[in-house]
Amino acid sequence: EADIYQTPRYLVIGTGKKITLECSQTMGHDKMYWYQQDPGMELHLIHYSYGVNSTEKGDLSSESTVSRIRTEHFPLTLESARPSHTSQYLCASGQVQPQHFGDGTRLSIL
Amino acid sequence: GEDVEQSLFLSVREGDSSVINCTYTDSSSTYLYWYKQEPGAGLQLLTYIFSNMDMKQDQRLTVLLNKKDKHLSLRIADTQTGDSAIYFCAESSNQGGKLIFGQGTELSVKP
Repeated sequence: EADIYQTPRYLVIGTGKKITLECSQTMGHDKMYWYQQDPGMELHLIHYSYGVNSTEKGDLSSESTVSRIRTEHFPLTLESARPSHTSQYLCASGQVQPQHFGDGTRLSIL
Repeated sequence: GEDVEQSLFLSVREGDSSVINCTYTDSSSTYLYWYKQEPGAGLQLLTYIFSNMDMKQDQRLTVLLNKKDKHLSLRIADTQTGDSAIYFCAESSNQGGKLIFGQGTELSVKP
């Protein structure tokens, strides 16, 4: 059983608020990822990290930012939330094989 | 760029076999994955196959890979109502690297 946790599971919040989505894994994986999943089901990579102090933007442009100060922690931040940020955000980690996913954060911006 | 395609819907009767198909374009794909997503949940890894394999079987799941045609399939034997979910095919070209996902196939199992 993979140990990767995301909080909160659900968040409904007003426009303009600063939001941080948490992701933690206890498997010691160097590689961590954030995916955005729209209601149409497709997943798109928005950020990834190959280790501490390493962050890269993914294939889908996102206004969010990430940080990787500790191996086990990979938070995603939105400085000023907008309705267009409404989506599901999935965190994943992996070492060699394969990627393990958290349960996701379903974010709704009013 | 890389692309992964899946049909969007599949409906089967309980007890039948389900076959979910996937095609990909990246000839350097090294690993191919099948994930299952139940409503409101994250993705659960079902199985994966290396590109140098043709077939992998794990209990009710059989993965077939035709590397020449860049075609991957997932067969679920004796499909149950609990198998109803969205199934994602994904590929990566390096170990533990970025995954490229298909759109997902929604499997509906009717009693």
